[in-house]
Amino acid sequence: DAMVIQNPRYQVTQFGKPVTLSCSQTLNHNVMYWYQQKSSQAPKLLFHYYDKDFNNEADTPDNFQSRRPNTSFCFLDIRSPGLGDAAMYLCATSRGGGTGRNEQYFGPGTRLTVT
Amino acid sequence: SQKIEQNSEALNIQEGKTATLTCNYTNYSPAYLQWYRQDPGRGPVFLLLIRENEKEKRKERLKVTFDTTLKQSLFHITASQPADSATYLCALDMGDSSYKLIFGSGTRLLVRP
Repeated sequence: DAMVIQNPRYQVTQFGKPVTLSCSQTLNHNVMYWYQQKSSQAPKLLFHYYDKDFNNEADTPDNFQSRRPNTSFCFLDIRSPGLGDAAMYLCATSRGGGTGRNEQYFGPGTRLTVT
Repeated sequence: SQKIEQNSEALNIQEGKTATLTCNYTNYSPAYLQWYRQDPGRGPVFLLLIRENEKEKRKERLKVTFDTTLKQSLFHITASQPADSATYLCALDMGDSSYKLIFGSGTRLLVRP
């Protein structure tokens, strides 16, 4: 089945130790997104790619970086995790292009714990 | 900036009843409004989309309405079941080339057997 896969599902890192979360998709969608979601809060968009075009949100800290080496894969790098970065990180895709529907397909998320 | 309000208190209903969830937004109306279901520890799952020129959309036991005058969408689940228990998020799609959604924080639905 076509899907969005995130690895790992659970990640524990130490304060200040760089960590990378990965996302892959078999949907061949143009757009890939990274969200941060804390308990009982709305998913907060960090950045997204349309193909290779990177779009950063104005309030995304510099500590968060992303790479999309090809259509299928996208990575979230947290250079120096702080305790406030503990959250669920969600990857999503959408078809993009043209007009009309833009529903997003989410992966299962990576729960990040910072110790 | 655009703000979305969903009732932060859980909605607790009896199995078989209709659940009605509310999504209110400020400022300008989106081109589309979407509803997602999110189970604990999982990513959201797309349910329904309604366009600004549509008043109502149905899919099986789900119904969504969109009132651009009131700046409100209602999400209904008829004949609710315990398996419908989850958090339901609404999201605004401005229909522009940004391909971004603005999500609400969701309302948790609990359906008692």
